[in-house]
Amino acid sequence: SQQGEEDPQALSIQEGENATMNCSYKTSINNLQWYRQNSGRGLVHLILIRSNEREKHSGRLRVTLDTSKKSSSLLITASRAADTASYFCATDVNAGNMLTFGGGTRLMVKP
Amino acid sequence: DGGITQSPKYLFRKEGQNVTLSCEQNLNHDAMYWYRQDPGQGLRLIYYSQIVNDFQKGDIAEGYSVSREKKESFPLTVTSAQKNPTAFYLCASRGFSRQNNEQFFGPGTRLTVL
Repeated sequence: SQQGEEDPQALSIQEGENATMNCSYKTSINNLQWYRQNSGRGLVHLILIRSNEREKHSGRLRVTLDTSKKSSSLLITASRAADTASYFCATDVNAGNMLTFGGGTRLMVKP
Repeated sequence: DGGITQSPKYLFRKEGQNVTLSCEQNLNHDAMYWYRQDPGQGLRLIYYSQIVNDFQKGDIAEGYSVSREKKESFPLTVTSAQKNPTAFYLCASRGFSRQNNEQFFGPGTRLTVL
């Protein structure tokens, strides 16, 4: 079973708008990571947030983590057509070797 | 250039044949992983290896085999026992660090069974 579940499964917005994707998970975690995947390509790491952190920023990306609700959100501000991709959350339960990936959110940004 | 490579990019197999997917990294990472991705889905872990000559099954290891004879290489064999092997296969690696435990991914191999 998947640890992380993204919501929505698909999102279509206009360029310049903000995009928000959510991830829920089931068990306690050490950290949560967000990855991006362009169609037919490998995944690229975007940002990591640890269980003792509540918010983190990287450029136009803002990630929040609510451990009490076992959920995280990824906000992309001022979206661009080049942001069109699938976005996955991945949970690391014990800072060990394994990540468990969610099903992803497919984002389309229309120019 | 440092990175992780996979070959081939596209692979076609006849039913009943074994095929081997290559994964090489020059990042000096200890851990390596194989994932399977079906259309519109997330990643499922097939096998992973933390050190040379050692590997563990992931969630969907049946019908697959791996080896880890060198730190840089982690080939995946899709055997004839895998009933539905058509999928996108992704290899990843990770170094051991207290600060970061992100995984670095290769470009993937798309396997199609004819």
